[in-house]
Amino acid sequence: GAGVSQTPSNKVTEKGKYVELRCDPISGHTALYWYRQSLGQGPEFLIYFQGTGAADDSGLPNDRFFAVRPEGSVSTLKIQRTERGDSAVYLCASSASGSSYNEQFFGPGTRLTVL
Amino acid sequence: AQKVTQAQTEISVVEKEDVTLDCVYETRDTTYYLFWYKQPPSGELVFLIRRNSFDEQNEISGRYSWNFQKSTSSFNFTITASQVVDSAVYFCALSEEEGTYKYIFGTGTRLKVLA
Repeated sequence: GAGVSQTPSNKVTEKGKYVELRCDPISGHTALYWYRQSLGQGPEFLIYFQGTGAADDSGLPNDRFFAVRPEGSVSTLKIQRTERGDSAVYLCASSASGSSYNEQFFGPGTRLTVL
Repeated sequence: AQKVTQAQTEISVVEKEDVTLDCVYETRDTTYYLFWYKQPPSGELVFLIRRNSFDEQNEISGRYSWNFQKSTSSFNFTITASQVVDSAVYFCALSEEEGTYKYIFGTGTRLKVLA
């Protein structure tokens, strides 16, 4: 079946602009995660959704970052007033349920470059 | 505090050699899960294995094997008879039972298998 998809695959923007990154999880997966991966580092947790609600947003670095999942499926990560330090690969993952037991399936990521 | 350490930044081996990737973790939870993921040059994280904290049996899957030792808080990964296609970055991750099941990743080990 279809895996996790993310669009766009690449996004180049200018400092100060607003961007939206989209994630389509595996059909039927209730849990959705966003991570950010900087060059040479492991992915770092940003936010976790169980259904439509953000169950844990403790990883969002500041209030310029926001994410939604209005219908419990597709999620959008929104970044306002982008800064050069936001440049990274943004990964989305989904799992069958919110549980430590279930492995997370990752999408290919969106590479964000802020000039 | 939760933490995953992958002390080996990069390893180079010649094809057909065996190689072990180290992973050391820290957690205060008694129930937790450990994972290994492979990130090939294409960038997508590929799930390899999940282990729970109550199962210390070693596991073998083809050329891959995993050694979990709670006494040393380690979950090491061995590739036997390495192949060029094994070249990738490998990440170890921890997920705790309590909380929102986010992954704590190590910084990864880049494996280069030379022909």
